[in-house]
Formats: sequence, structure tokens, C-alpha cells
Amino acid sequence: QKEVEQNSGPLSVPEGAIASLNCTYSDRGSQSFFWYRQYSGKSPELIMSIYSNGDKEDGRFTAQLNKASQYVSLLIRDSQPSDSATYLCAVSMEYGNKLVFGAGTILRVKS
Amino acid sequence: DTGVSQNPRHKITKRGQNVTFRCDPISEHNRLYWYRQTLGQGPEFLTYFQNEAQLEKSRLLSDRFSAERPKGSFSTLEIQRTEQGDSAMYLCASSSYWGGGQETQYFGPGTRLLVL
Repeated sequence: QKEVEQNSGPLSVPEGAIASLNCTYSDRGSQSFFWYRQYSGKSPELIMSIYSNGDKEDGRFTAQLNKASQYVSLLIRDSQPSDSATYLCAVSMEYGNKLVFGAGTILRVKS
Repeated sequence: DTGVSQNPRHKITKRGQNVTFRCDPISEHNRLYWYRQTLGQGPEFLTYFQNEAQLEKSRLLSDRFSAERPKGSFSTLEIQRTEQGDSAMYLCASSSYWGGGQETQYFGPGTRLLVL
């Protein structure tokens, strides 16, 4: 079992819709959770971080964390074609430590 | 704050050659990480430094790989006797972390290595 799992996609949504990206992790003691966006040929860019159970909103993005279910999600509201990218879920097993990444979910927003 | 920089951005080499990559972290960031990413996969941790001390090295990391951060500022990653399987994007990330809380890592643009 991989430590961090994501559906590889592609996930296709129409412009203006809500995109929902999901991630599960295996280590129950994980402390920090991140979503990075990666355009083709570029490096990962941080979108959101979340550390406590519940929701965290930042503009069109909402991260949701459920530690009991070992589940992290990212919602993108009013999806735009420029949101088309690979979204990487990353987990840190303890505060201040290396990140373990999932393989990423490809998102395609169609105009 | 100019961000994390990496050089070179691209490197093509022949199998068996040595290569060295450089990473300059965000100014005053005390932590520096190296990751490797292959096509269709997420970045994979290689090693990290806090100031000049190398605190962790991946068990997957061959002894052909070595990294240094001699003055706690920039870092170099050297691969000796390159193999075709070393072809990947090598990513550097830095953070400011002083213990007891949250850490955010910021990535550089990466060095893309192709071993022929």
C-alpha cells in the first residue's frame, strides 16, 4: 500500500463547476497536509496547507481534513481553464519533516 | 525574496559521467530539501539539511548520490557514474523552520536530467 494515494484521473470538469480532488494516507500519526499544483514541465506550487480536522478556505480553494478517516480533499470552486494541472497531495509524518507525495491527480477544466 | 533557484535547469549527460546540481534557497531559510520526480509520479524525498547539517537521507538513495550544504546557504547534489535510471527532475525546496510548529516548503524550478 502506498503511503499517500490519489486517483490519477484525469478528472474533467466544465468551466465554472466545482472540482473535487481526494487523497488518502496510511500513517495515522501524520501531522501536516498540503496541496501543491504542478503545471506540465514546472515545479510544484503550494496552494493550501491544513493541519487540523475540518475545512480551510482560501479564495476559490477549500481544503478538508478528516484524520479519523485519513482523508484529505481539495475543492476548487468556479473552476477555470487555468486550473488545469496536476494536483499533488503531500503529507508530513511529523511537524517539520520531509513530505511524502501522492502521484497526483490530473485536472482538466473544459471551457 | 527571490525564491528558490536551481542551476542548471537542464542537463544532458552520458551514462557513467558525474553531474552536479546547485540549489540556492530563499534567503534566511534554514532548511533545504532535495527531491526527485519521474514522469507520472510525485516528488520523492532524497535528503535534507538544517543549516549545514544533513539530518536525513533516504534509504533509497544510492551511494552514488551525495549532497552538501557547506555554509548553510546553497547546496549541491552530485551524482557519480550516472545511469539511465537517474533521468528525472531534481527538485530543491527550502523552508524556515525553528521547531514546534508548522513548516511550509517552497520549491525551486528544478533541474531536468537526461542520461543517455
